[in-house]
Amino acid sequence: QVQLVESGGGVVQPGRSLRLSCVASGFNFHNFGMHWVRQAPGRGLEWVAFIWFDGSNKYYADSVRGRFTVSRDNSKNTLYLQINSLGAQDTAVYYCAKADIGDSWSLLNWGQGTLLTVSS
Amino acid sequence: NFMLTQPHSVSESPGKTVTISCTRSSGSIAGYYVQWYQQRPGSSPTTLIYEDDQRPSGVPDRFSGSIDSSSNSASLTISGLKTEDEADYYCQSYDTSNRGVFGGGTKLTVL
Repeated sequence: QVQLVESGGGVVQPGRSLRLSCVASGFNFHNFGMHWVRQAPGRGLEWVAFIWFDGSNKYYADSVRGRFTVSRDNSKNTLYLQINSLGAQDTAVYYCAKADIGDSWSLLNWGQGTLLTVSS
Repeated sequence: NFMLTQPHSVSESPGKTVTISCTRSSGSIAGYYVQWYQQRPGSSPTTLIYEDDQRPSGVPDRFSGSIDSSSNSASLTISGLKTEDEADYYCQSYDTSNRGVFGGGTKLTVL
């Protein structure tokens, strides 16, 4: 079955950088688009980024464009989210999600999330 | 940018049917697939409906999705309500600028 396991969260000081990872299993990772979604404490879901199955196209929310970079290594079945210039507004649980096909905006499967807390 | 507007909360009794709306502020609701997600407290979201009205395997047919072009909105209908359906529900779609958007979420209380 599809399994998505995020990691890399923790407590990080403002201004620092961090890379989140999402290891996928149970499906042909290289055939599917992948998304990052975050949820600040007590708030709703916020779409963050989307990368096509082959990495050829990447899209970002306005709130993170320029500071966040989504990437993937299909040989390692792993999705990444590089976050630079961390601020308090980035404190959230970050989820990776698998799309239903290579370039789809339909999120079908979700990971358990990794909590990032930005604090001095 | 467009927005997806959902009611903040809805409530209904066990065994009844409830409908949660999701209204798109600009752009045609029919032009971009709508998805619905359920999030129980302390858990990750799960997908109930994708591509407007498709159910992933394992999702009961008590859950159904539809769109209405006249009101530019999507709806999630849950029939035969169970106490376990108490959760937050989110709609989601995208636009031609390749931006994804979630609705603000609807808290369903089954009382």
